[in-house]
Amino acid sequence: KQEVTQIPAALSVPEGENLVLNCSFTDSAIYNLQWFRQDPGKGLTSLLLIQSSQREQTSGRLNASLDKSSGRSTLYIAASQPGDSATYLCAVSKNNNDMRFGAGTRLTVKP
Amino acid sequence: SQTIHQWPATLVQPVGSPLSLECTVEGTSNPNLYWYRQAAGRGLQLLFYSVGIGQISSEVPQNLSASRPQDRQFILSSKKLLLSDSGFYLCAWSVGGALNTEAFFGQGTRLTVV
Repeated sequence: KQEVTQIPAALSVPEGENLVLNCSFTDSAIYNLQWFRQDPGKGLTSLLLIQSSQREQTSGRLNASLDKSSGRSTLYIAASQPGDSATYLCAVSKNNNDMRFGAGTRLTVKP
Repeated sequence: SQTIHQWPATLVQPVGSPLSLECTVEGTSNPNLYWYRQAAGRGLQLLFYSVGIGQISSEVPQNLSASRPQDRQFILSSKKLLLSDSGFYLCAWSVGGALNTEAFFGQGTRLTVV
């Protein structure tokens, strides 16, 4: 059974700092990994999707990497801003019917 | 462009009452549809998924059921709510018949059973 773990559970940083969020998974036979952002009381917003054959994806200040063999992914946020404050979730899929989520990292960026 | 609508945003229901949450997707055909529940401080748990009209698969035994009466409509129901059904319910869709595609989520429904 696929287990997804996100560390740390919560993170507080001053504005402008670069930061890394971690996601690990136990079964490396995945099709893709997706990073989401969730604001309090809201749905999930897709940030980046990494296919199993890819090693990283970039969107603006966000960069996600994938090391499938070791079961790890990182989300790098450059020059963090208060508007980045949210919970970040990673999810891995073996197929479209089997997306498994971590519990998330709650990020607070202080002005 | 594709959009997903989920309603209501919040709901307070007494124990033993029925439940109906609705989710619709626009701008795509034959999507895969999903219902997730998110408990406080925990990851999302997949409840149901559907690859087509009338085709529902359940991930966990529970007090809830799902139906897909139309291609882009997904409904989550219960005949009698339990206190343990409280939580944040999220509907999602992805491109049908394809692997390695993104999943897109609705804004969620906060259900409180009292």
